[in-house]
Amino acid sequence: GAVVSQHPSRVICKSGTSVKIECRSLDFQATTMFWYRQFPKKSLMLMATSNEGSKATYEQGVEKDKFLINHASLTLSTLTVTSAHPEDSSFYICSAITGYEQYFGPGTRLTVT
Amino acid sequence: KQEVTQIPAALSVPEGENLVLNCSFTDSAIYNLQWFRQDPGKGLTSLLLIQSSQREQTSGRLNASLDKSSGRSTLYIAASQPGDSATYLCAVSPGGSQGNLIFGKGTKLSVKP
Repeated sequence: GAVVSQHPSRVICKSGTSVKIECRSLDFQATTMFWYRQFPKKSLMLMATSNEGSKATYEQGVEKDKFLINHASLTLSTLTVTSAHPEDSSFYICSAITGYEQYFGPGTRLTVT
Repeated sequence: KQEVTQIPAALSVPEGENLVLNCSFTDSAIYNLQWFRQDPGKGLTSLLLIQSSQREQTSGRLNASLDKSSGRSTLYIAASQPGDSATYLCAVSPGGSQGNLIFGKGTKLSVKP
């Protein structure tokens, strides 16, 4: 099946710094990628839809200036958490669509201290 | 607004038992429904995808059903094994779109040897 990778798998950063998470579709081209966030014991929540070559579409309540998404190529989308705070600590998962199926990356655990 | 509910939140069974996980959704206008498996601290593995026009899908010991009109889906696991221990997530894709998944909180399954 199709493979989606994320890097890094874990990151610890200090409050106020920025962190970039990469999402790559390894063996297919993805015109659309999605970013989700999962808090402990909560559902995965869609943050934004990332379209190659255009601006991302953010879900209600997600600050677009804080969570910068760039989809520069058909195989790469990046999520940058700017000026991170401890409440941004979460598990971030990306996904990409090919055909009828959606494939998920392994996730990135962000801890902001 | 679409809401997805999974019952029970947690389930513990002895090895070999057959079990059913339940998922309900409030808006029957869905594009598809998926069941995922998530191991602790890991990403998602898609188990079964049911298109809105289908009533069930089977893969090995897993069988998922969909009753769109009543807003329900079940995941049946036959002859459970300790390796089946994980959190099982149900997600629906809103009607007319693909990829924008709305997740339930999951059912945490523990299969005791």
